[in-house]
Amino acid sequence: DQQVKQNSPSLSVQEGRISILNCDYTNSMFDYFLWYKKYPAEGPTFLISISSIKDKNEDGRFTVFLNKSAKHLSLHIVPSQPGDSAVYFCAARPTNFGNEKLTFGTGTRLTIIP
Amino acid sequence: SQTIHQWPATLVQPVGSPLSLECTVEGTSNPNLYWYRQAAGRGLQLLFYSVGIGQISSEVPQNLSASRPQDRQFILSSKKLLLSDSGFYLCAWRDSGGVYNEQFFGPGTRLTVL
Repeated sequence: DQQVKQNSPSLSVQEGRISILNCDYTNSMFDYFLWYKKYPAEGPTFLISISSIKDKNEDGRFTVFLNKSAKHLSLHIVPSQPGDSAVYFCAARPTNFGNEKLTFGTGTRLTIIP
Repeated sequence: SQTIHQWPATLVQPVGSPLSLECTVEGTSNPNLYWYRQAAGRGLQLLFYSVGIGQISSEVPQNLSASRPQDRQFILSSKKLLLSDSGFYLCAWRDSGGVYNEQFFGPGTRLTVL
């Protein structure tokens, strides 16, 4: 049962335009969400997170939006740069004490076209 | 600052051979530690996590095991490798002192079982 879904395995975006990566979840206990970026043969690096008390969090070129009623979040990258080409993973977990499980989606490969 | 190390970086092992992957974290105390596997074309699957020395939680039944002999050391082992154990193994840590904090990943180990 895939509780965190990234339905687009790949996405190509022109340099300078907006990249929008989507993520859906099914577990209503999830209330903390994270985005990670991964280059080949490297560990994922943390990008940005959002808790369920917010609907938007912004950090430089990266903005994450959360729609709790739709169980949907998205990552916006503006403007897109060639160095943004990577696989992006959405992750989620409950925040009750002692619950350590971070559930990842299957990833979206973003390619920025120069 | 905190750093996380994994070794070896790559490993080629025959079916039926034993396995030992090591992960160490520097610059923090009492971290939560995690082992993940990324199989080809798949997301990140949580294998084990640990909230303290000698405390291991297993997420997926398999022929792998984990141990935490020291506060900042996490070991992934197998007595007999299977072909299906091939993948990219990632160790991660998280500050145990908070709820809204991210996991940080190591560089990973590429395991190929022949």
